[in-house]
Amino acid sequence: DAKTTQPPSMDCAEGRAANLPCNHSTISGNEYVYWYRQIHSQGPQYIIHGLKNNETNEMASLIITEDRKSSTLILPHATLRDTAVYYCIVRVVSGGSNYKLTFGKGTLLTVNP
Amino acid sequence: GAVVSQHPSRVICKSGTSVKIECRSLDFQATTMFWYRQFPKKSLMLMATSNEGSKATYEQGVEKDKFLINHASLTLSTLTVTSAHPEDSSFYICMPEPGTGPYYGYTFGSGTRLTVV
Repeated sequence: DAKTTQPPSMDCAEGRAANLPCNHSTISGNEYVYWYRQIHSQGPQYIIHGLKNNETNEMASLIITEDRKSSTLILPHATLRDTAVYYCIVRVVSGGSNYKLTFGKGTLLTVNP
Repeated sequence: GAVVSQHPSRVICKSGTSVKIECRSLDFQATTMFWYRQFPKKSLMLMATSNEGSKATYEQGVEKDKFLINHASLTLSTLTVTSAHPEDSSFYICMPEPGTGPYYGYTFGSGTRLTVV
């Protein structure tokens, strides 16, 4: 079973920040938080990952709470092309076949003009 | 970055026939391959995991004789849907994982839309 919980859907106005929450209360010490998104009929696209520090890249920022039980993905200036299903996943890095990359139901983010 | 090629992107086949889906890692060696299936408006469901040169491990409820996985090389894995039926119509996605780590940004294939008529 998936180890994460996300709201099923969210709306965001174009140009505004989109903040997508994720709960992972049973995360282990060696598990990273990954975020992926999937645009209709495409494979999932990697966005960002983190262990315990906040992370930022050209796509997004990841804020992880100090107890690591939840995190927030931030798209600073959402565009219409950011409309997608966003998945939060926890997994050890370099897991191999013993560590499944399990997807929950994700959050459908709809960016409105 | 890692480049993954999955073919075909779309296939329509007649009921009872077999379909082969290829997944290639173009710039890295994939020790492990994950195969997923996704039904409309649903999340990705892991079907099976394979290590290069070994038999695949199938998730509960996935028929190993229907979904044949071959991972004979470090750059190529194939999923064959045998004797396909309309209920096998789905979106199939691969994810190769390198053997050397750490590896952070897992790259998925672009997916194969299978329609069985």
